[in-house]
Amino acid sequence: GAGVSQSPSNKVTEKGKDVELRCDPISGHTALYWYRQSLGQGLEFLIYFQGNSAPDKSGLPSDRFSAERTGGSVSTLTIQRTQQEDSAVYLCASSAMGGMNQPQHFGDGTRLSIL
Amino acid sequence: EDQVTQSPEALRLQEGESSSLNCSYTVSGLRGLFWYRQDPGKGPEFLFTLYSAGEEKEKERLKATLTKKESFLHITAPKPEDSATYLCAVQGSDSNYQLIWGAGTKLIIKP
Repeated sequence: GAGVSQSPSNKVTEKGKDVELRCDPISGHTALYWYRQSLGQGLEFLIYFQGNSAPDKSGLPSDRFSAERTGGSVSTLTIQRTQQEDSAVYLCASSAMGGMNQPQHFGDGTRLSIL
Repeated sequence: EDQVTQSPEALRLQEGESSSLNCSYTVSGLRGLFWYRQDPGKGPEFLFTLYSAGEEKEKERLKATLTKKESFLHITAPKPEDSATYLCAVQGSDSNYQLIWGAGTKLIIKP
């Protein structure tokens, strides 16, 4: 596909369960970002991957959150022992390279609801 | 502290009624300011990048301008399909990739 693909588009789960969110970036894009978007708030940076470099995990809100990127392409964001405050839209973006003022291109997000 | 503030939070216009959205920023050395459009249930869609004060960019009914403290997104003779949330983000000189995002302006154009 031409754009960033995220799955699932919606996820409803019970408090305490683990969830995995997937992101397939634009082919050839070396930089990949995860954000969290809550109603009325700006996008909250979570994690950044650039090529084979160590990821910047500085935005992860707690140790229940982790992410990996396999083969420099697909990324998975995992939330363990989910809490109600984790409910939000999780957005993934990719860019041709990190920095250098390259625009980020976004997927349509995963809407996560914790019951 | 780097900060981006967008105003107003929401704006309702009649079709054809031109207006402007504001993005005020505080950042240590601006590398770039980005405008995005976001439709309900969708991810943000890139519109413009501005790099230096005085720069302007246009796309259809939209024109973005930049000063040292703020950016404006001017909408000329808007149509209902221009209804969306418009997001502003800045990249400062102390980061190679992180953007600071505003909360957005929700624009509603009534026919």
